[in-house]
Amino acid sequence: GESVGLHLPTLSVQEGDNSIINCAYSNSASDYFIWYKQESGKGPQFIIDIRSNMDKRQGQRVTVLLNKTVKHLSLQIAATQPGDSAVYFCAERSVANFNKFYFGSGTKLNVKP
Amino acid sequence: GAGVSQSPRYKVTKRGQDVTLRCDPISSHATLYWYQQALGQGPEFLTYFNYEAQPDKSGLPSDRFSAERPEGSISTLTIQRTEQRDSAMYRCASSFGQSPTDTQYFGPGTRLTVL
Repeated sequence: GESVGLHLPTLSVQEGDNSIINCAYSNSASDYFIWYKQESGKGPQFIIDIRSNMDKRQGQRVTVLLNKTVKHLSLQIAATQPGDSAVYFCAERSVANFNKFYFGSGTKLNVKP
Repeated sequence: GAGVSQSPRYKVTKRGQDVTLRCDPISSHATLYWYQQALGQGPEFLTYFNYEAQPDKSGLPSDRFSAERPEGSISTLTIQRTEQRDSAMYRCASSFGQSPTDTQYFGPGTRLTVL
């Protein structure tokens, strides 16, 4: 199958622990952010999004935090499971070009049983 | 269809040949995106369509790349006179509406290898 994990930062966590994946963005005009999960051999899958007028948003087992001051985004996964093992990408969009998304380079999450 | 499909899943071609990749979006999805994804990197925007209109093709690397969506459903991405640097995964995504907050659903991709 396809390997998208080569040359990526890797985070290894024990099953049941919480995971935090970080993303820095450069465009201060970005106003909408998305986290995607990409499993081996598959396309990116939407996890959660957040607008720039929020600093926190929660989903099922996942929380996204946005710090616009330092242009930093994080994804927190609670009680990490083996099925969470994948590459995680953040993506951003700016108002000026609202249909064009910029993806970060990704973080590989390894969950150890 | 149930999801976004792409064909072929793998394409190997020789330098200088033309290739055409196909994307079949989720039925009734108005917006379709093409991305290029290098190994170990996030997807990079190439172009997108709203129905058959192509408002933004600024991400296409050169004039060897072109995309069509003539009837507002199936789309093709054509690369003429392929070069080795074109080797990558090409991904298609579709979303229901034109709002950028509409979720993009990605296809499995076409892995292009140019020898």
